[in-house]
Amino acid sequence: SAVISQKPSRDICQRGTSLTIQCQVDSQVTMMFWYRQQPGQSLTLIATANQGSEATYESGFVIDKFPISRPNLTFSTLTVSNMSPEDSSIYLCSVVVAGGLLNTGELFFGEGSRLTVL
Amino acid sequence: AQSVTQPDIHITVSEGASLELRCNYSYGATPYLFWYVQSPGQGLQLLLKYFSGDTLVQGIKGFEAEFKRSQSSFNLRKPSVHWSDAAEYFCAVGAPNFGNEKLTFGTGTRLTIIP
Repeated sequence: SAVISQKPSRDICQRGTSLTIQCQVDSQVTMMFWYRQQPGQSLTLIATANQGSEATYESGFVIDKFPISRPNLTFSTLTVSNMSPEDSSIYLCSVVVAGGLLNTGELFFGEGSRLTVL
Repeated sequence: AQSVTQPDIHITVSEGASLELRCNYSYGATPYLFWYVQSPGQGLQLLLKYFSGDTLVQGIKGFEAEFKRSQSSFNLRKPSVHWSDAAEYFCAVGAPNFGNEKLTFGTGTRLTIIP
């Protein structure tokens, strides 16, 4: 299993500013992902955080807007840049532990960071 | 491309009543299917999963789900709900042939329990 800590748990931000969300895992994990959950909607994958290299972004998401770092196997950050009210969402970090999702059958999630942009 | 549909946005059931949450998927082969639950203010927790074999899978908290290939469905059931089951439920599909481990989630079903 894995215990995931996200910071901040929630924040209220002004339009045009940027916020960095941190994700810390209590064990080394093979894969880390960032998801967005907009109000009343499902989870949408933003990107896969790759250790020591650029993240792999899904269609509709770009590095300039959502820069991601993953300096080691247990830590990642997601920055939401130049925020607008449309960025108000819950941002979730998720991980795959050793053995892989398709072996263990579980993607572990943090509790999310609820972001409100005014 | 894979997709998941949860037709019911919101379901209300009485405590002690039975529950069925619907999930339909679209994928060219047998997918890997999951049900997650999200309690208010919490992250997602895996309830159960289907990879292969017995099409009726048992999960935590008394939940079960049945994979029906002919209907492309993976409905979640519980014979008697408890007030603590009130939460958001997400069906998800993974595609092993993609060679990666991403999941596609449905839009979720919010479950309300009334006394």
